[in-house]
Amino acid sequence: EIVLTQSPATLSVSPGERATLSCRASQSVSSNLAWYQQKRGQAPRLLIHGASTRATGVPARFSGSGSGTEFTLTINSLQSEDFAVYYCHQYNNWPPRDTFGQGTKLEIK
Amino acid sequence: QVQLQESGPGLVKPSETLSLTCTVSGGSISNYYWSWIRQPPGKGLEWIGFIYSSGGTNYNPSLQSRVTISEDTSKNQFSLKLTSVTAADTAVYYCTRNTLHPTVGDVWGKGTTVTVSS
Repeated sequence: EIVLTQSPATLSVSPGERATLSCRASQSVSSNLAWYQQKRGQAPRLLIHGASTRATGVPARFSGSGSGTEFTLTINSLQSEDFAVYYCHQYNNWPPRDTFGQGTKLEIK
Repeated sequence: QVQLQESGPGLVKPSETLSLTCTVSGGSISNYYWSWIRQPPGKGLEWIGFIYSSGGTNYNPSLQSRVTISEDTSKNQFSLKLTSVTAADTAVYYCTRNTLHPTVGDVWGKGTTVTVSS
């Protein structure tokens, strides 16, 4: 099983600043990685797929990068609505053996 | 715009079968991949499995012996059955539509909470 390790577990950032979230895979997943945002009491929302492609309607301040085992989600100019939990998801294998990271909580500093 | 709505019992007894339905509105169930994902209280996400509109399925190996996902195209619905449940199956269950990849959910239902308890 591919293990995804997200860091840090909690990130405190001030509105208007930049947040950088990390996701590390225990083995290469190529670019088969997605990022989701989950607000309290809501379903996850797809932000990024293919490691770096923004999903429809996602603001340009969200960007994804990386390949292989190291991935980053960057959020520029943090808005109040961006404070949430973020999950990475690898979908590299067929048949599917998908796994998710444990999440990074982005909180207001 | 397509919307998904999960429904089913909120309480299931241990050893019994959990049954949930996802109703799709605003679009057809045909020609898409559809998944179930769950989230135990205070924890992360777990992929359960998917169905393709032709009826093909694939399941998480850790759940495969207990899971069945099926579809009813006449009702524009797909369903999840999980047998022999235990407290570890207590979670919020989400259904998703997957357009970009068979297991990447780009449209999600709001989720339904299922508690396993006697």
